[in-house]
Amino acid sequence: GGIITQTPKFLIGQEGQKLTLKCQQNFNHDTMYWYRQDSGKGLRLIYYSITENDLQKGDLSEGYDASREKKSSFSLTVTSAQKNEMAVFLCASSMGVGNTLYFGEGSRLIVV
Amino acid sequence: LAKTTQPPSMEAYEGQEVNVSCSHTNIATSEYIYWYRQVPHQGPQFIIQGYKDYVVNEVASLFISADRKLSTLSLPWVSLRDAAVYYCIVTDITGNTRKLIFGLGTTLQVQP
Repeated sequence: GGIITQTPKFLIGQEGQKLTLKCQQNFNHDTMYWYRQDSGKGLRLIYYSITENDLQKGDLSEGYDASREKKSSFSLTVTSAQKNEMAVFLCASSMGVGNTLYFGEGSRLIVV
Repeated sequence: LAKTTQPPSMEAYEGQEVNVSCSHTNIATSEYIYWYRQVPHQGPQFIIQGYKDYVVNEVASLFISADRKLSTLSLPWVSLRDAAVYYCIVTDITGNTRKLIFGLGTTLQVQP
């Protein structure tokens, strides 16, 4: 089996700050994803990456940047943190798009 | 846009069988139906997938209608550990883009 590791578990920043979340997977999966989950709501796709150095926008990409420099890692940057985007950010990976997703435990963003 | 519709919540007692329905009227011909569940403070976890008819594994069974527009996840003998949000997911294909679409899910409460 493999594991998805998200860091940090909690990320606290100030309004307007640029903040970065990191995700590592050891499944050797090609595809990685970042989802945002607001309290009591479903998951919304921010960015995904089919392979190393590839980036695809999801439904919620505005205000975010992503980077996939190597196969095992996928990072997400909030370009200017706002209080209304405090949420849990979930990273996932899969063999390919449409295959089973494996999720990390999530990173909670807190904006003060 | 492929999307899913589920009941927002369900209640059951321990030991009961629970059936969670999902409507996916715009599902693409080639795509599977996936079910995940999420407990608090964790990412969603894969339960089962199916294309048509009936699928069973050690955790659950999945019935898919002949026209593939409706599926039902069946959890036999639920316990308190089965209390979670259950997501029915299909892949949306728009142009060359394929994305897994998470709806709001069904919150299952289990009473002792």
